Amino acid sequence: EAEVAQSPRYKITEKSQAVAFWCDPISGHATLYWYRQILGQGPELLVQFQDESVVDDSQLPKDRFSAERLKGVDSTLKIQPAELGDSAMYLCASSVTETQYFGPGTRLLVL
Amino acid sequence: KQEVTQIPAALSVPEGENLVLNCSFTDSAIYNLQWFRQDPGKGLTSLLLIQSSQREQTSGRLNASLDKSSGRSTLYIAASQPGDSATYLCAVRSVGSGNTGKLIFGQGTTLQVKP
Repeated sequence: EAEVAQSPRYKITEKSQAVAFWCDPISGHATLYWYRQILGQGPELLVQFQDESVVDDSQLPKDRFSAERLKGVDSTLKIQPAELGDSAMYLCASSVTETQYFGPGTRLLVL
Repeated sequence: KQEVTQIPAALSVPEGENLVLNCSFTDSAIYNLQWFRQDPGKGLTSLLLIQSSQREQTSGRLNASLDKSSGRSTLYIAASQPGDSATYLCAVRSVGSGNTGKLIFGQGTTLQVKP
């Protein structure tokens, strides 16, 4: 069964450093989402792509976060500079209908 | 602004028991509601999706109901097993989100089923 791939699975960095996360959605899924999940809370949407276009980035802290999906397939989420409060699980999901399929996530720890 | 609440935050039951997880939302103008399962340190797995026009959906031992007018959904798990231990999250797609697929999540209920 096709799955959403994410890497790395874990990332430890120091504050003020740059970090990047990668996501490869299920083949054929035009819609891609990045969510952030703080421990003990539900995920919150950061950005949604339809093909290579951003549909919703209203919750993305644009002063430090950026996301791209240049060819409308895989996507990269970047944080520069990282802050202590960015420690969280970063989840990628993709969809072709209403159901969103999630990847295993990247656990980020900022020291 | 849509808000989703799940009560209780944690639940522990003996194996074999039937149980109900609750989800409430503040704005009844929704397209659909989804229930997800999340194992520790892992991503989310979609369990059931209920469209706003539907009252319930079933998959195996799981049954989800939706009462849009009262802003409530329940997830019923029959004959619980230790393998059901996980965090269960509900999420709604609000009409206010427009053409985006944005989901608003509750904080989850962590279920432990004891052998």
